[in-house]
Amino acid sequence: DQQVKQNSPSLSVQEGRISILNCDYTNSMFDYFLWYKKYPAEGPTFLISISSIKDKNEDGRFTVFLNKSAKHLSLHIVPSQPGDSAVYFCAAIYNQGGKLIFGQGTELSVKP
Amino acid sequence: GAVVSQHPSWVICKSGTSVKIECRSLDFQATTMFWYRQFPKQSLMLMATSNEGSKATYEQGVEKDKFLINHASLTLSTLTVTSAHPEDSSFYICSARDPRQSHTEAFFGQGTRLTVV
Repeated sequence: DQQVKQNSPSLSVQEGRISILNCDYTNSMFDYFLWYKKYPAEGPTFLISISSIKDKNEDGRFTVFLNKSAKHLSLHIVPSQPGDSAVYFCAAIYNQGGKLIFGQGTELSVKP
Repeated sequence: GAVVSQHPSWVICKSGTSVKIECRSLDFQATTMFWYRQFPKQSLMLMATSNEGSKATYEQGVEKDKFLINHASLTLSTLTVTSAHPEDSSFYICSARDPRQSHTEAFFGQGTRLTVV
């Protein structure tokens, strides 16, 4: 049972344009959502999170949007840079300090 | 941010032998650490939650006798893959939260690439 889903395994974007990575979830009990970036053979690094009581959180070039009614969240990267090329994982958690449930990941490629 | 260090970063072992992977929180104490496994092109699958001073909590389908977890101190958790077989070859990653910071964000180690030949 995949509670967190990232249906696009890959995304290619031109440098300077917007990258939009999508994530869907099924469990309405999740109270936080997080995005992680991962390079091959390395552990994930935290990017940005959002509480379930909010619908938007922004940090520099990264913005996460949450649509609770649709059980959908998205990560926007503007402007995209070649260094953003990596695999992005969406993750969800219920009760603070609990385990993270990860999506399958989306491989982003930003072309110069 | 907080630092989680994992060792070794890669290991090759013979089938039937055991391999120990260490996960350390370098600048904070972690009562709980998490162990994940990632197959190529797939998600990070939680294997178990490591609790300092008590038994680990394993996810459904994970053999606790095969993947031994020990969390003997507040800064160290170990995962031992016992009697390893080629199907155990994978990327293993640990994570921990810094209790001084957010209760949601988890910091990850660098991962360990295990190859069983």
